[in-house]
Amino acid sequence: GAVVSQHPSWVICKSGTSVKIECRSLDFQATTMFWYRQFPKQSLMLMATSNEGSKATYEQGVEKDKFLINHASLTLSTLTVTSAHPEDSSFYICSAWATATTIYFGEGSWLTVV
Amino acid sequence: KQEVTQIPAALSVPEGENLVLNCSFTDSAIYNLQWFRQDPGKGLTSLLLIQSSQREQTSGRLNASLDKSSGRSTLYIAASQPGDSATYLCAGRYNNDMRFGAGTRLTVKP
Repeated sequence: GAVVSQHPSWVICKSGTSVKIECRSLDFQATTMFWYRQFPKQSLMLMATSNEGSKATYEQGVEKDKFLINHASLTLSTLTVTSAHPEDSSFYICSAWATATTIYFGEGSWLTVV
Repeated sequence: KQEVTQIPAALSVPEGENLVLNCSFTDSAIYNLQWFRQDPGKGLTSLLLIQSSQREQTSGRLNASLDKSSGRSTLYIAASQPGDSATYLCAGRYNNDMRFGAGTRLTVKP
């Protein structure tokens, strides 16, 4: 079974609304989680590093006020896409290191903004 | 800048062929390099991880090599099967995050 659970798998929202995606580590604690975005036929691009109990670290070019990240516990990080627009439609995926050498990815979330 | 490149972008082979996927990285200061498989609309499945001190790793029909000095890694798939059809991603780990290539989309025809 999955050791990193991501929810929802698919979401459709109206332009201008906000949508929240959850990433949970099921069998381990993760002080750090990562959020990636993948556009069709492109690579995964790191958006931000989510740190438990502190502010997320965003990659250059990623709007922190648009992509709100909250890492409220050692097993949960959330990504909220605020005021979503069609260009935000993408595949969002999270990951967490279970050990120094083992990383697990969530199953991803497809966001479609109409 | 830490960039990871994969060639070819797409590959189609008949069943039973051996094949090689290529990955190159610009910054050799990686902690490790990992190969993943991604099925359409799905997350990532880790295939092989090579530590920076290692030269290769093998798992079943898969063999991955790493040459830090030249900034290259290869994934060798022996006796390919239709079930191997997927996108294969390589990723270099730098500090705590990972940099991904754009992937090679493999199709194995029966």
